[in-house]
Amino acid sequence: DGGITQSPKYLFRKEGQNVTLSCEQNLNHDAMYWYRQDPGQGLRLIYYSQIVNDFQKGDIAEGYSVSREKKESFPLTVTSAQKNPTAFYLCASRSRGLGNQPQHFGDGTRLSIL
Amino acid sequence: SQQGEEDPQALSIQEGENATMNCSYKTSINNLQWYRQNSGRGLVHLILIRSNEREKHSGRLRVTLDTSKKSSSLLITASRAADTASYFCATDEGGGADGLTFGKGTHLIIQP
Repeated sequence: DGGITQSPKYLFRKEGQNVTLSCEQNLNHDAMYWYRQDPGQGLRLIYYSQIVNDFQKGDIAEGYSVSREKKESFPLTVTSAQKNPTAFYLCASRSRGLGNQPQHFGDGTRLSIL
Repeated sequence: SQQGEEDPQALSIQEGENATMNCSYKTSINNLQWYRQNSGRGLVHLILIRSNEREKHSGRLRVTLDTSKKSSSLLITASRAADTASYFCATDEGGGADGLTFGKGTHLIIQP
């Protein structure tokens, strides 16, 4: 089955620590996205990538970094500069062809501070 | 900033009744999408309506779009307990591969 896999499902971060969230897709999609969701809120865009080796900042990129070395993978690093990292992180992908395509989401990673 | 705003924030109805959720947005869009999120899970795409469309159906779902009022509605007919979830509207402004802009969602509870 094609889809998006996020790991781990739960992650705990210590003060001053960087952590990396994994996102892998086998849908052959060019575009990939990272969103942050806080309790009772909608999703906010952190970073997105339209093509391998290229990515763009979203609305709340400060304290986060990404890489896109392979089409299938778009890992997100939450750095120690992100002072309020506790949230639910969602990865998504979309086909760029023909426009007007929906996004496909993984099941998320819940990050908490120890 | 979040463009879409859903109304109501929460809705509780009896099984079998219809549920209507509304979404307002601020800027021009290429399309508007509705997603469902079950507790602790990712989002599932329900329906996409293009800016030149006024109404779209998919099973028990009916979506309308009024670009002059910058608003959309999602109607779920003959609700079921399994429809209990949060529903989000999301706007696509560019039609390219940029990210979507989400509202805060409507939490729907279907009482058996």
